[in-house]
Amino acid sequence: QVRLQESGPGLVKSSETLSLTCDVYGYSISVGHWWGWIRQPPGKGLEWVGTVSQGGSTSYNASLHDRITISADTSNNQFSLTLTSVTAADTAVYYCARQYRTTSSLHFDYWGQGILVRVSS
Amino acid sequence: QSALTQPASVSGSPGQSITISCTGTSNDIGRYNYVSWFQHHPGNAPQLMIFDVSRRPSGISTRFSGSKSGNTASLTISGLQTADEADYFCSSYTTSDTWLFGGGTKLTVL
Repeated sequence: QVRLQESGPGLVKSSETLSLTCDVYGYSISVGHWWGWIRQPPGKGLEWVGTVSQGGSTSYNASLHDRITISADTSNNQFSLTLTSVTAADTAVYYCARQYRTTSSLHFDYWGQGILVRVSS
Repeated sequence: QSALTQPASVSGSPGQSITISCTGTSNDIGRYNYVSWFQHHPGNAPQLMIFDVSRRPSGISTRFSGSKSGNTASLTISGLQTADEADYFCSSYTTSDTWLFGGGTKLTVL
């Protein structure tokens, strides 16, 4: 059974950097598929943040493109999100998820429980 | 890119059927058959219920079905049960290798 678990600080100061890690259990990220981050601000819908392949290829939400880095660490079977210059608008529950990706199927199948990150002024 | 549009809430009685719509554009739902539906109980991990428009993951009840027409996808739940009460959201692959999600629909089983 594939399981994902987010970790990181629950509180980040405005203008500083948000860093989250997603540990993957039950599946080696070096085998394949992509790995992504999705967030949900309080009272709002979900927003795709970005994804990374096991080889390090990335795709980012254009609205965050100049502030975001997602990377994969195959040796520790985890991937991470770094978001710089955060503001209150970055306050959200952050989810990590596996993006199942083949030539005929594309979807997020396994998700973490999410971690609430608050940006304080 | 705007989020996919879902109704904020739907409701039904046990045993009835309900349908939740998810409306996008010709750049996402209308272009790709990569629409998914998730069931979410807040505080828990979202659960995949439907992928690739109409396919069910192993273990998901046949009461859940998905379809698509033009730029709108739909999730139908038949034989409603109280355990189905949750938030449901859709997602779609879109151009430039990006993703959109719906705003979520709260299902109440009366």
